[in-house]
Amino acid sequence: RKEVEQDPGPFNVPEGATVAFNCTYSNSASQSFFWYRQDCRKEPKLLMSVYSSGNEDGRFTAQLNRASQYISLLIRDSKLSDSATYLCVVNGANFNKFYFGSGTKLNVKP
Amino acid sequence: NAGVTQTPKFQVLKTGQSMTLQCAQDMNHNSMYWYRQDPGMGLRLIYYSASEGTTEKGEVPNGYNVSRLNKREFSLRLESAAPSQTSVYFCASSERAETQYFGPGTRLLVL
Repeated sequence: RKEVEQDPGPFNVPEGATVAFNCTYSNSASQSFFWYRQDCRKEPKLLMSVYSSGNEDGRFTAQLNRASQYISLLIRDSKLSDSATYLCVVNGANFNKFYFGSGTKLNVKP
Repeated sequence: NAGVTQTPKFQVLKTGQSMTLQCAQDMNHNSMYWYRQDPGMGLRLIYYSASEGTTEKGEVPNGYNVSRLNKREFSLRLESAAPSQTSVYFCASSERAETQYFGPGTRLLVL
């Protein structure tokens, strides 16, 4: 079983739509959770960390459900510039090691 | 403040050739990582270094060696390149289990 699993998509949505991605992880001991954004042929960049109580950054909301071992990302009022691949990242039993999901591709259309 | 830098940006090798990918960070981070990214596979950890002088294997270490030269630099060596090592290689650094910062990547083609 993979450490981190994501729906690869693509999610094709119109501008202004709300879209949600989920990610599941296998290690119940994981302590750090992140969403990264990766544009085509570029390096991943941190979008936001995910905290136990949930957190929001503008149009982006991240949630963590430890009992079910999943993380979610909600994007409201989608912009064309949100088109990218979103990577779910979780650390493992060795907290220095990170595991990446294969990414969910989002296409926002005019 | 350059963050994480990688050289080279592109490389073409023939099967059996060797090369070293260089990575340096100027954020004074203890941890450094090497990943490879293949289409549809996400990033997979090759090796990481939790601190200067230590290295540990990740998910896919076969065919690679690493050196943590000092706190700033972490190099990845392919001793005898194979077509299966065609990939995009990313170096990253972080402070413990916090945010990782990535270099721009090295695109490697092995013929």
